[in-house]
Amino acid sequence: SYVLTQPPSVSVAPGQTARITCGGNNIGSKSVHWYQQKPGQAPVLVVYDDSDRPSGIPERFSGSNSGNTATLTISRVEAGDEADYYCQVWDSSSDHYVFGTGTKVTVL
Amino acid sequence: QVQLVESGGGVVQPGGSLRLSCAASGFTFSSYGMHWVRQAPGKGLEWVAFIRYDGSNKYYADSVKGRFTISRDNSKNTLYLQMNSLRAEDTAVYYCAYGPRGFREIAYWGQGTLVTVSS
Repeated sequence: SYVLTQPPSVSVAPGQTARITCGGNNIGSKSVHWYQQKPGQAPVLVVYDDSDRPSGIPERFSGSNSGNTATLTISRVEAGDEADYYCQVWDSSSDHYVFGTGTKVTVL
Repeated sequence: QVQLVESGGGVVQPGGSLRLSCAASGFTFSSYGMHWVRQAPGKGLEWVAFIRYDGSNKYYADSVKGRFTISRDNSKNTLYLQMNSLRAEDTAVYYCAYGPRGFREIAYWGQGTLVTVSS
């Protein structure tokens, strides 16, 4: 089955840039979506189709996808960005949705 | 606006059964596929199942295939998850969710219902 691997944690100072990677075999050929989840809350979509943002999501959130790695970039990090982040793809070979292992972003 | 409200969670013994429901509103329920996604305590997100808009096709995670059944009643705008032969590892918050673009992103999520499998 298809596996998506993320770093368990990323720490970043306020105002700096956080980069969260999502590794998968030839992930560049798939559409990658990213979710933010704060404690006790449901996930929120922050990036879809590799790099598009839903309405209401700040421009500080951006994404890219190439080769075996997709990346979510959070610019000018704020305290409110502290959360868990998950990547996700649809694996057409197995007809399964797949979530990444998740990354906890800590704002120092 | 879109609302997804799950119900039916609770405590059940190993080997038991439970049926979750999700009441949908704010969109044309009968036009969209629907998901169940779960999250064990302190763990990551795990996709559980997906059903097409008309119920014609259903897809399951390997971990629940043969034990869980996803279904829908478009006349009642309600999604279901029948869970049988429950195990301790099925303990999780179960989210009802959907995305308007089929096998793409999941744009809308409910608040979840907690299922605890314990003796």
